[in-house]
Amino acid sequence: EDQVTQSPEALRLQEGESSSLNCSYTVSGLRGLFWYRQDPGKGPEFLFTLYSAGEEKEKERLKATLTKKESFLHITAPKPEDSATYLCAVEGYGQNFVFGPGTRLSVLP
Amino acid sequence: KAGVTQTPRYLIKTRGQQVTLSCSPISGHRSVSWYQQTPGQGLQFLFEYFSETQRNKGNFPGRFSGRQFSNSRSEMNVSTLELGDSALYLCASSWTGGAGDTQYFGPGTRLTVL
Repeated sequence: EDQVTQSPEALRLQEGESSSLNCSYTVSGLRGLFWYRQDPGKGPEFLFTLYSAGEEKEKERLKATLTKKESFLHITAPKPEDSATYLCAVEGYGQNFVFGPGTRLSVLP
Repeated sequence: KAGVTQTPRYLIKTRGQQVTLSCSPISGHRSVSWYQQTPGQGLQFLFEYFSETQRNKGNFPGRFSGRQFSNSRSEMNVSTLELGDSALYLCASSWTGGAGDTQYFGPGTRLTVL
């Protein structure tokens, strides 16, 4: 059974204080690993898709990396508007997305 | 390009009633998936439709059903509502739902069961 865990559960950062979020997974044949950001009361907003170990993608202050067992979302010099819940999902041969519980990020000014 | 739209945005129902939620995918997307999100269980997969056929199903009771129309719009129905069905119901669309295809989410329908 495909499983996804995320750590930490919650993270508080000062504005400008860089950090990383972790997504660990077990999946029968990875077809894709996906990062989303979700603001309260809204649907998840797509950030990145990673397909194979060693792949990296960047967007503004965010950088996602992938190994065979985990993915990291690095946040460089975060701003208060980066505050959100960050969700990780994997797609294996089961062909449906399995989501992790998310990391609640708070960036304080 | 318009995103995924869901109607209604909010619903209040009582136990035993039934409810129908609607989802319009991004133009050109043919795969639609439905998820239930609750604080305790997180995001859980309900089912996926492609070309009007249910292609994949999660671990939910038969009270949860769906369908897809020829224009790729989808509806989800929950019969005999229970208190535990209170949740944010999210719809996501993708081009084909094929391997590694990115899903784009709508804003969700907040269902409250009293």
